[in-house]
Amino acid sequence: DIQMTQSPSTLSASVGDRVTITCRASQSISSWLAWYQQKPGKAPKLLIYKASSLESGVPSRFSGSGSGTEFTLTISSLQPDDFATYYCQQYNSYSGLTFGGGTKVEIK
Amino acid sequence: QITLKESGPTLVKPTQTLTLTCTFSGFSLSTSGVGVGWIRQPPGKALEWLALIYWDDDKRYSPSLKSRLTITKDTSKNQVVLTMTNMDPVDTATYYCAHNGIAVAAYFDYWGQGTLVTVSS
Repeated sequence: DIQMTQSPSTLSASVGDRVTITCRASQSISSWLAWYQQKPGKAPKLLIYKASSLESGVPSRFSGSGSGTEFTLTISSLQPDDFATYYCQQYNSYSGLTFGGGTKVEIK
Repeated sequence: QITLKESGPTLVKPTQTLTLTCTFSGFSLSTSGVGVGWIRQPPGKALEWLALIYWDDDKRYSPSLKSRLTITKDTSKNQVVLTMTNMDPVDTATYYCAHNGIAVAAYFDYWGQGTLVTVSS
């Protein structure tokens, strides 16, 4: 299995801050990475696919970058609606899709 | 508009078999490239992928759970069924089904609301 490690596990930030979340893969996954946002009691919502492609309807303050084993999700200016938990998911090998452990973005 | 909804028991006993149904609309599982997956999330923990079935009946399973899982589809009913045998309290989780629109890129763009399954005697 390809392991996905997210950091930090928790992040405290203020409205307007630039926020960066990192996801590392245990082996190269090219650009086969997605990012999701999840709010309490809700299903995950797709934000980014293929490492840097913005899903339709997702605000442009969200962006993704990286390839190989290291990836980042950046929120350029944190908004009140962005306080949530974020997950990365690799789909390099669909014999074994894996998610990261999550990063909770909290209000500072 | 694509929607998915999970249904099944909310409580199962240890050693029992869990059967969950995903009923969807807005797409067809006979369309080339389309798939439906199952993902679960124990309370307060991370997401875990379980299984995925494609339009051509190709099936993929989590290696760690493969021996316990079976995924099937009924295209005429717009349903996907997941069975998990030998349930244990550690299998207590919210179970989601989700749509995958591109077979060569297995990410999930539409999700059901999830159903909480508790395993307890």
